[in-house]
Amino acid sequence: GDSVTQMEGPVTLSEEAFLTINCTYTATGYPSLFWYVQYPGEGLQLLLKATKADDKGSNKGFEATYRKETTSFHLEKGSVQVSDSAVYFCALRNNNNDMRFGAGTRLTVKP
Amino acid sequence: EPEVTQTPSHQVTQMGQEVILRCVPISNHLYFYWYRQILGQKVEFLVSFYNNEISEKSEIFDDQFSVERPDGSNFTLKIRSTKLEDSAMYFCASSGQGLASYEQYFGPGTRLTVT
Repeated sequence: GDSVTQMEGPVTLSEEAFLTINCTYTATGYPSLFWYVQYPGEGLQLLLKATKADDKGSNKGFEATYRKETTSFHLEKGSVQVSDSAVYFCALRNNNNDMRFGAGTRLTVKP
Repeated sequence: EPEVTQTPSHQVTQMGQEVILRCVPISNHLYFYWYRQILGQKVEFLVSFYNNEISEKSEIFDDQFSVERPDGSNFTLKIRSTKLEDSAMYFCASSGQGLASYEQYFGPGTRLTVT
């Protein structure tokens, strides 16, 4: 079945460091890809999305490019802040409109 | 901006009791979903609902679970006889269409604690 595999955490970085969280997927057809963020004690918030190959989603300095050839959607940010500390979930939505989530990666940014 | 709401934010119940988790999806949306997240684990799909019937459900969604859209606004998840392992955060989501370009909007979640 359709699935998402993302880099296991936790990830700990210093402020202003470069962030990469790897995500790969397995799906039939042409899924849409998402990154969601969950801040402590809160629900899921959509961070960015890409609906077709080579699309780049971006928001709040984060970006991810839909790579069909490598079935990947890695999340990157050039300079992280303490406020970026959260759990990040990679997800896909398949042609049946069903979402599948990765296991989540906890990011801690230290001042 | 319209949003999905869920009540209660936290529910504590005893093992064996029935619970009903409530969601109000975005008003013009047609597809509704429930997910759960056991503490520290991944978000897992439970069920999707369209046109007053279940369109897909996961292995987790066994006979103790049921969903209902009792009126034009609410979407409920009932757990008939709760177990300790049902303790989790339950997220409701809705989307406008079944097309891949329409995203699902998530509610803030209900934390269910079974004691």
